[in-house]
Amino acid sequence: SQKIEQNSEALNIQEGKTATLTCNYTNYSPAYLQWYRQDPGRGPVFLLLIRENEKEKRKERLKVTFDTTLKQSLFHITASQPADSATYLCALDMGSSYKLIFGSGTRLLVRP
Amino acid sequence: GAVVSQHPSWVICKSGTSVKIECRSLDFQATTMFWYRQFPKQSLMLMATSNEGSKATYEQGVEKDKFLINHASLTLSTLTVTSAHPEDSSFYICSASFPPRASGQETQYFGPGTRLLVL
Repeated sequence: SQKIEQNSEALNIQEGKTATLTCNYTNYSPAYLQWYRQDPGRGPVFLLLIRENEKEKRKERLKVTFDTTLKQSLFHITASQPADSATYLCALDMGSSYKLIFGSGTRLLVRP
Repeated sequence: GAVVSQHPSWVICKSGTSVKIECRSLDFQATTMFWYRQFPKQSLMLMATSNEGSKATYEQGVEKDKFLINHASLTLSTLTVTSAHPEDSSFYICSASFPPRASGQETQYFGPGTRLLVL
């Protein structure tokens, strides 16, 4: 069966540390993988998109890796801040139908 | 840029009534919009894909007669929950695709969501 898995337990880290979130999938072949941030009671906000032929993408303190062999993406936030506390969602984009398939998200808590 | 709005932000209604939710792309034209539903502590579940000028494409298990979608213009899509019942209470979120797919950078911009409570 097709699955997208993100760690359902909250990730609790100290301010200044690097947060690493994982997204694993099975039985999909996405053309792109996207990461979104969602705050409580709000819609998701786009963060980064990485293509299947890209290994790594960076944007300011954010870094995403995409390993199509392992079927895994890692999302890193360096020098984390309390304001980074939110739920982070990965989404698979098959590339043909514009549809996104979302993981269940991982909640990140950054302690001051 | 790429702002999507939703209205209303929250609504409480009695069981059996119909509720209309609007989704607008404010500063771009969206030929494709999407409607999602999210239950507490769960992920977004795609309900339907709304294409301007044509019928919406519904995901498996979503009743098209219950969730009516109209995408009459390039900046507006509406979702009407007909004869709403308590189990329809949820967080409804729309999104619009931008920029065009051919650019390879297409992503979705989400509205702020509409919280529906059916009593």
